[in-house]
Amino acid sequence: QSALTQPPSASGSPGQSVTISCTGTSSDVGSYKYVSWYQQHPGKAPKLIIYEVNKRPSGVPDRFSGSKSGNTASLTVSGLQAEDEADYYCCSYAGNNIDIFGGGTKLTVL
Amino acid sequence: EVQLVESGGGLVQPGGSLRLSCAASGFSFSSHWMHWVRQAPGKGLVWVSRISNEGSTTGYADSVQGRFTISRDNAKNTLYLQMNSLRAEDTAMYYCARQGGSLDDWGHGTTVTVSS
Repeated sequence: QSALTQPPSASGSPGQSVTISCTGTSSDVGSYKYVSWYQQHPGKAPKLIIYEVNKRPSGVPDRFSGSKSGNTASLTVSGLQAEDEADYYCCSYAGNNIDIFGGGTKLTVL
Repeated sequence: EVQLVESGGGLVQPGGSLRLSCAASGFSFSSHWMHWVRQAPGKGLVWVSRISNEGSTTGYADSVQGRFTISRDNAKNTLYLQMNSLRAEDTAMYYCARQGGSLDDWGHGTTVTVSS
């Protein structure tokens, strides 16, 4: 059960787009559609922003989008806004009733 | 409105035990799988455990397997995490989460500190 691999940091200017990767293995990300992404602001509980690779919960802006290719999932934030500055975590089902998170990516809006 | 309220955290000595609770409201508790996720101070999220809606199926992270037990009481709309043989590395904020599409809703967490 190794954590999924995310870059520790990412950044972009307001209005720009940024993509955060999440690399797993053929036993987790590569095998299941159950990849999700969470946004966490300091001192707050995580918030679901993408589920099943590319689905957005109600209320999440369409600036957030998800995709997957092979063992790597990606989160793209388009039209960056100041409030997007937060930590982002991916999560994947890994079979046998096990889930795995990525190490997290700190997104900075310059 | 979905509400998840964790409780039971605190300071415990290494080797000790704690039982966390998560009181759920605003949804049909007995229809949803539930999870525990933890976050050590300044660190990332780590999945801990999951339990099926009727309580018959569970899963655990390797790091807690054999020490932690997840359970639920659907009559009381409450999720539990029994934590035994606690270690310093178990120190974290513990969140419960409701599974819908994924971990759709989260509580605010309860803090567990393992220290002598």
